[in-house]
Amino acid sequence: AQSVTQLDSQVPVFEEAPVELRCNYSSSVSVYLFWYVQYPNQGLQLLLKYLSGSTLVKGINGFEAEFNKSQTSFHLRKPSVHISDTAEYFCAVTPLQGTYKYIFGTGTRLKVLA
Amino acid sequence: EPEVTQTPSHQVTQMGQEVILRCVPISNHLYFYWYRQILGQKVEFLVSFYNNEISEKSEIFDDQFSVERPDGSNFTLKIRSTKLEDSAMYFCASRWTDNEQFFGPGTRLTVL
Repeated sequence: AQSVTQLDSQVPVFEEAPVELRCNYSSSVSVYLFWYVQYPNQGLQLLLKYLSGSTLVKGINGFEAEFNKSQTSFHLRKPSVHISDTAEYFCAVTPLQGTYKYIFGTGTRLKVLA
Repeated sequence: EPEVTQTPSHQVTQMGQEVILRCVPISNHLYFYWYRQILGQKVEFLVSFYNNEISEKSEIFDDQFSVERPDGSNFTLKIRSTKLEDSAMYFCASRWTDNEQFFGPGTRLTVL
């Protein structure tokens, strides 16, 4: 079975400051990894994904994430946040076998302060 | 750009009533999913559907739930007799043969 842990339920950060949202996972099989963003009252939008290859993945809106297999982590980073980045961020994994269902973390609420 | 659509955006129902949540996946996609998100909690997998049958379901997906692809374009989730604890946001997702799922905007179900 797989599980995803997002230790930080809320992260306040000032505008133009850097931010890192942490994601750790557990799985007995190889997985693909994803970060999704959910703006208030909206659906899930894909930020970026790691399938294979380079461990540093770049996504939309200036976000990037680094896959670390030894630490089973996939932390999301942005060097300079904007007010518009205020949203809920979900890390998800899917095992490379079976139905490719997604297993989500509990989410991190990023609040960007002026 | 093709997208997954869901109707209605918000459904209010009385406990014990049946509801049907509708989804129109992206047209060439082959795999379909339902997830739910109880307010303030994480998104949870309910069921996956391929080739007109359920391929996997979670413990949440009990006999009160059913899914159907009635006409080759719609994908529905039916809850036979709603309970208060079924109140949640329900997301439909679809994918082609690769691993990225595309999510709809969700249906907020409120059971009174």
